[in-house]
Amino acid sequence: QSALTQPASVSGSPGQSITISCTGTSSDVGSYNLVSWYQQHPGKAPKLMIYEVSKRPSGVSNRFSGSKSGNTASLTISGLQAEDEADYYCCSYAGSSSHVVFGGGTKLTVL
Amino acid sequence: EVQLVESGGGLVQPGRSLRLSCAASGFTFDDYAMHWVRQAPGKGLEWVSGISWNSGSIGYADSVKGRFTISRDNAKNSLYLQMNSLRAEDTALYYCAKGVVALVTRPDFDYWGQGTLVTVSS
Repeated sequence: QSALTQPASVSGSPGQSITISCTGTSSDVGSYNLVSWYQQHPGKAPKLMIYEVSKRPSGVSNRFSGSKSGNTASLTISGLQAEDEADYYCCSYAGSSSHVVFGGGTKLTVL
Repeated sequence: EVQLVESGGGLVQPGRSLRLSCAASGFTFDDYAMHWVRQAPGKGLEWVSGISWNSGSIGYADSVKGRFTISRDNAKNSLYLQMNSLRAEDTALYYCAKGVVALVTRPDFDYWGQGTLVTVSS
């Protein structure tokens, strides 16, 4: 079970858009439309932001969107706000033997 | 209101055992898969184990396979993680997380507890 690859950090100014990539393999991201994204603020539990690649749970802002191409999934946050500053993790189903794999996490800084 | 409350963490010596518990409330417990996810200090999230609604399907991360055992008691709305042969690298905050479906085949966890800290050290 190898972790999915995410950039260690990204940054953007308020109002801008940013995209966080999540690269896996043909055994996980590439094989299943079962990619989710989590937001984690310091000292808090993670929060589900996106599931099934591009779906938003009730209550999550439509500024958050997800997509996938091949073995790479992406999370885009538009209209950046100060409260978006957090760590973001992608997560994918990886088949019946490996089950679930997370990315290493990306720290988003709002300048 | 959905609540997940973990307990059982603490300081334990390498090679010893510990049992974590997660008390669930606010939803129909036996309708959903449940999972354990851990986070080492200053590090990222790592899925540890998941169990389907009826305990019929169980999965483990390679890092804990053969040492950890997940179980649930639907009558008590409780999830457990028996951790044996603990290692220093098992030191982490252990979260209990609710799946969005009954099976373990989804990486979607819509509710999380606040975690219980396990420290493995001599």
